[in-house]
Amino acid sequence: AQKVTQAQTEISVVEKEDVTLDCVYETRDTTYYLFWYKQPPSGELVFLIRRNSFDEQNEISGRYSWNFQKSTSSFNFTITASQVVDSAVYFCALDSGYSTLTFGKGTMLLVSP
Amino acid sequence: SAVISQKPSRDICQRGTSLTIQCQVDSQVTMMFWYRQQPGQSLTLIATANQGSEATYESGFVIDKFPISRPNLTFSTLTVSNMSPEDSSIYLCSGRDREMNGYTFGSGTRLTVV
Repeated sequence: AQKVTQAQTEISVVEKEDVTLDCVYETRDTTYYLFWYKQPPSGELVFLIRRNSFDEQNEISGRYSWNFQKSTSSFNFTITASQVVDSAVYFCALDSGYSTLTFGKGTMLLVSP
Repeated sequence: SAVISQKPSRDICQRGTSLTIQCQVDSQVTMMFWYRQQPGQSLTLIATANQGSEATYESGFVIDKFPISRPNLTFSTLTVSNMSPEDSSIYLCSGRDREMNGYTFGSGTRLTVV
């Protein structure tokens, strides 16, 4: 069975602080894909990153970076120098090749000025 | 990557009525899905919309309540039937995008049943 755990329900930071959102996953498959999505208050789901299980290289995109560690089944997401516009719910999701996504419960990030 | 247009973006409906949500994709996607997101919750898969055949429903969801159509590769509808306040949620459609080998989502329909 597939499972995604985002233990942090809500995180509050002040602008310019760095923040890390945790994601731990469970799957018995050797080939799988991990995703992060952002859901702003308007409700749409914005794709941030896709990572396959064979690529453990960390990735950086502007202020965003992702740390994928198979040894701990984690795919954590860090925002550097957070901004108010980063305030949203962030979802980690897993696709184990069944062509469906299993979502974590989401982490609400509140960035105050 | 594919872009999915979803409408309506929001609606307020009377209990006992039905609402049909539409999703149009600008390019072909291999699979389309419908999700429900209850207030403050994560996304729950309702069903996979299959082209030209009946949708595949997840446990807890039935065709009589959530009929789905997918007449071609780029269009799908979800109907929420005989609505009750418990159906108040955000409904999202999604497509498996061949180009990005991932999933693209519509902008969501925020449904309130009164």
